[in-house]
Amino acid sequence: TQLLEQSPQFLSIQEGENLTVYCNSSSVFSSLQWYRQEPGEGPVLLVTVVTGGEVKKLKRLTFQFGDARKDSSLHITAAQPGDTGLYLCAGGSNYKLTFGKGTLLTVNP
Amino acid sequence: GAGVSQSPRYKVAKRGQDVALRCDPISGHVSLFWYQQALGQGPEFLTYFQNEAQLDKSGLPSDRFFAERPEGSVSTLKIQRTQQEDSAVYLCASNRGPASGEQYFGPGTRLTVT
Repeated sequence: TQLLEQSPQFLSIQEGENLTVYCNSSSVFSSLQWYRQEPGEGPVLLVTVVTGGEVKKLKRLTFQFGDARKDSSLHITAAQPGDTGLYLCAGGSNYKLTFGKGTLLTVNP
Repeated sequence: GAGVSQSPRYKVAKRGQDVALRCDPISGHVSLFWYQQALGQGPEFLTYFQNEAQLDKSGLPSDRFFAERPEGSVSTLKIQRTQQEDSAVYLCASNRGPASGEQYFGPGTRLTVT
């Protein structure tokens, strides 16, 4: 079974601060996805990373896939209250996703 | 519809009751997935359909859980003789097919077993 560990589990910061959250595994993944989930809603895909060492940017969010394709990070610059949510990483086969437990981010105004 | 819809959004069941949770995927989506998300956890895979065929049910926790998608569109997840440990959010997702990558999730059904 491929396991994904996310850290930190909880993160509370002030608006304008930068932050990084991590997703680690002992297994190699062909790709990793990052989702954001807001209360009462399902997860929404932010990005898919496929190539080891790949860096993708989505506005203030920067995603990196480790060279060995076992880990990934999400960096948010100048966080805003609208970034509040549960950030989940997921990997697996082309249909069966394994999710981490997520990082619950709160950005205080 | 514009997205995946699920009903009911909230369900309270007494221990021992049977429940049925419905998922309406995005029109034309071939693949459909069910996940269980316990409080403070990430979603855990339950089962996968391609059209009406249930190709993987390895995540169903027990034989009390049963899923169907008889016409390859709407799906129902049924839980018989509910127990307290079944309390969770049940998420449904769909996509165009096995190589599609992104899964589109519904808002989930929050099941509380008392």
